[in-house]
Amino acid sequence: AQSVTQLGSHVSVSEGALVLLRCNYSSSVPPYLFWYVQYPNQGLQLLLKYTSAATLVKGINGFEAEFKKSETSFHLTKPSAHMSDAAEYFCAVSEAGGTSYGKLTFGQGTILTVHP
Amino acid sequence: NAGVTQTPKFRILKIGQSMTLQCTQDMNHNYMYWYRQDPGMGLKLIYYSVGAGITDKGEVPNGYNVSRSTTEDFPLRLELAAPSQTSVYFCASRQGLSWANVLTFGAGSRLTVL
Repeated sequence: AQSVTQLGSHVSVSEGALVLLRCNYSSSVPPYLFWYVQYPNQGLQLLLKYTSAATLVKGINGFEAEFKKSETSFHLTKPSAHMSDAAEYFCAVSEAGGTSYGKLTFGQGTILTVHP
Repeated sequence: NAGVTQTPKFRILKIGQSMTLQCTQDMNHNYMYWYRQDPGMGLKLIYYSVGAGITDKGEVPNGYNVSRSTTEDFPLRLELAAPSQTSVYFCASRQGLSWANVLTFGAGSRLTVL
């Protein structure tokens, strides 16, 4: 069984400050890991994904995440927050291999607020 | 190219009523999924399909049914609506299981059961 825990349901930062959204996972097999963003009243968009290549993954809008197997973590960061980053962010995990059928297990979500 | 289209966007149901949430994709994707999103709970998988005529249960299937008669359509049926089914429902699709294939989400359907 796999699971995802996002630490902090709400994160608030000032514009220009570092963004750090935490994600820890558990999986019995090597995982694939994802970060999605959801803007108000919209569906989810993929920010970035880890699929066993480079451990530091760069995504859209200046976000990146680092896969740390020893810590079972996949934290999302952005050096300088912008007002347009305000949204809800979801970490998700899927088991590698065809039997997973691409099913994702999502974390609880973290709402990011950016203050001027 | 419309992607994944969900209808209706909003619906209010009375307890015990039935309805179908429609999901259509025009990308010829084999794999389709229904998720529900509840505040503070993330998204939970209801049902999924790996191709026309093949469906399977996800994590929270009770109270729902699906069918996949065509590649394009994957409707979600609520037979006897209950307040616990108040949620935002998302349909998603992907071409195949290669991780180069991105999961594409619809805009969501907000359902309220009173």
